[in-house]
Amino acid sequence: QLQLQESGPGVVKPSETLSLTCTVSGGSSSSSRYYWGWIRQPPGKGLEWIGSISYSGTTYYKPSLQSRVTISVDTAKNQFSLKLSSVTAADTAVYYCARHSYYYDNSDNHYYFDYWGQGTLVTVSS
Amino acid sequence: QSAPTQPPSASGSPGQSVTISCTGTISDVGAYSYVSWYQQHPGKAPKLVIYEVNKRPSGVPDRFSGSKSGNTASLTVSGLQADDEADYYCNAYAGGNNWVFGGGTKLTVL
Repeated sequence: QLQLQESGPGVVKPSETLSLTCTVSGGSSSSSRYYWGWIRQPPGKGLEWIGSISYSGTTYYKPSLQSRVTISVDTAKNQFSLKLSSVTAADTAVYYCARHSYYYDNSDNHYYFDYWGQGTLVTVSS
Repeated sequence: QSAPTQPPSASGSPGQSVTISCTGTISDVGAYSYVSWYQQHPGKAPKLVIYEVNKRPSGVPDRFSGSKSGNTASLTVSGLQADDEADYYCNAYAGGNNWVFGGGTKLTVL
C-alpha cells in the first residue's frame, strides 16, 4: 500500500522560506503515470493546490504562487520537496503531499489526487 | 482563476440521499471531465471518492455517485450513514496544467 509522509519544521518565521519533504513508501516515485503534488489547507478553510512535479522534474505551479514556490524531486530517495519563500501569516496551513495521477490512456487524459499524506501543520510566526 | 462554488452546508437523515453541487465556469468544470471529489473527516487527510466526474475508486461504496451538467458537477450520497458526515471538496482541471478546489461543503447527517 502506497504511503506518503510529510516532514519539516512546524514553525517558520515571517519572510523566511518554508521547506517540507514528502517521503514515498510502498511504491516508486519514478512512474511516468504519476506526478507528485502539494496541497495546503489553512486552519478552518478549504483546500488549495500548490503545485505538482513529475519524476523527471517537470513542474506545474498554481499561477498566484508561482513566484514563491519551488518543488523538486529526488527519485533515488523516493522523496519530493516543497520550498515556499517570503512566507507570511497567510501561509499558515496544514500542508499535504499527494500522488497526482496524470497520464494519457484510452484516448483520454486522467487527472486526480489518489493517495495523500497525513498532513503537517506549518505555522508562520516570529 | 477563482474557485468553483460549493454550498457551505448540506444535510440529510440516515437512509436519505443528499446532493452537493460544484459550480465552476466554462474554463474549468464546464470544459473538461476531470472533476474529482474528496471526503475529509475532521483532523484527517482528504480521501478520493469520485474521479473523472463519475468514476469510483476501488473500495468506495456505490452509494457515492457523480455527475456533471454544463458548468456544474454534483456528488450524490445515497443511503446516508453516520460516517458520511464530513467535509466534501470538488476539484476541477482548469486548463494549462492548473487545478482548482471548490470551497468545500460540510455534510451533516441529522
